[in-house]
Order: sequence, then C-alpha cells, then structure tokens
Amino acid sequence: AQSVTQPDIHITVSEGASLELRCNYSYGATPYLFWYVQSPGQGLQLLLKYFSGDTLVQGIKGFEAEFKRSQSSFNLRKPSVHWSDAAEYFCAVGPQHGSSNTGKLIFGQGTTLQVKP
Amino acid sequence: KAGVTQTPRYLIKTRGQQVTLSCSPISGHRSVSWYQQTPGQGLQFLFEYFSETQRNKGNFPGRFSGRQFSNSRSEMNVSTLELGDSALYLCASSSRDQETQYFGPGTRLLVL
Repeated sequence: AQSVTQPDIHITVSEGASLELRCNYSYGATPYLFWYVQSPGQGLQLLLKYFSGDTLVQGIKGFEAEFKRSQSSFNLRKPSVHWSDAAEYFCAVGPQHGSSNTGKLIFGQGTTLQVKP
Repeated sequence: KAGVTQTPRYLIKTRGQQVTLSCSPISGHRSVSWYQQTPGQGLQFLFEYFSETQRNKGNFPGRFSGRQFSNSRSEMNVSTLELGDSALYLCASSSRDQETQYFGPGTRLLVL
C-alpha cells in the first residue's frame, strides 16, 4: 500500500539551530515528492518539490530536501531555524504523469515544529 | 495571480443537515482536488475533478459528493451531516495532470 511516514510527531529546536525533518515513503514507482507547511488555522503552503533530476532540491524560506531512492526518503532540512518557522510540516507523495491515480496526494501525519528562543 | 479561494471559511451545522463548500482554483488551473483534515485521521483525499469530470475518488461514503463547473470552480456537498464530519476541508488546484497542487485556506466545518 502507498504510504508516507513522518517518524517525528513533534520536534523542538532552538532558534538558530539546524533542523532535519524525516520522511519515508512506500510507493510502487518513484513518485513526485512534496513538502508543505501549515500554520494554525491555515491552508498548506508548498515549500518544495521533487519530480526528477538533481536529488537535492531547494525551496522557499531557506529549506532544502534530499531525495534518497535507496532509502525511500525525502528529508527536509534547514541550516538555521527562525522563530517564524514554528508550524506543522507535511511530507506528501503524488502520482507521476500517466498514472491513473490522478489528483491524489498521500500525506504523512505531520511533524509539529516548536522553536525555542 | 490570485491563489485558491474557498468559501465560506467557517461553518456551523447540526447533525442531519447538508452543507455545500465552494472552491475557486487559480486562474488557468483545470484540476481541483478536495481533502479532509482531522486531528485523528490527518489529511485524506476526497476526490479530484478535471474538466467537469470526477477522475478519482477516495474512500469516503456517498454522502460526500462534488462537482466542477465549466470555469473550473468546484463545489463539494456533504449530506446528512454527522459529528465526525467536523473537519477542515481543503481544496487544491493544479494546472494539469499530476502537477503541483496549490492549496486554499480551507473551510472549517463544525457539526453540532
């Protein structure tokens, strides 16, 4: 079955510290991969995406993620966290072109990031 | 370009009633997907519409339905509301098949 696992439900880091949020997926083929962020009461904002090519992708707000096919992982990183980064982060997988499973993203359970001053 | 908009932003209904939520996609986007977000189940796919046709559907009962209009705007309807339908309903649009989805702010539905 297709699934996404975010092992860490809650992470607390100090402002200025580095951050890594983990994401593992199970999918029949190489999917499209996404990271979204959600502030309380808001919708999802796209941070970055991986479709193909360079396995290290850059996103908005200084985030980057690395796709590792051998580990079925797509971890999100940021070298220095700001207090405004406190939010919930979701990893998602989606079907590639030509798939019959159109329009369907499968999300992990999310990781809540708390930033200590 | 304006982002995805959803109306209303908040709704309070009682059990047994029905509700209609609206989603206007980004201009030029033809695919609209709907998701339900709850603390217990997380984000779950409801259905996807493209060019007025439902192309994909998640595992939700028939009380959940939707449609898409010729201008790509979409509505979803929930009939005979249950307490468990209380959730944040998110819609997302994308420009073509299997492309990046951009989300609206959501409609918060509370069923009493």
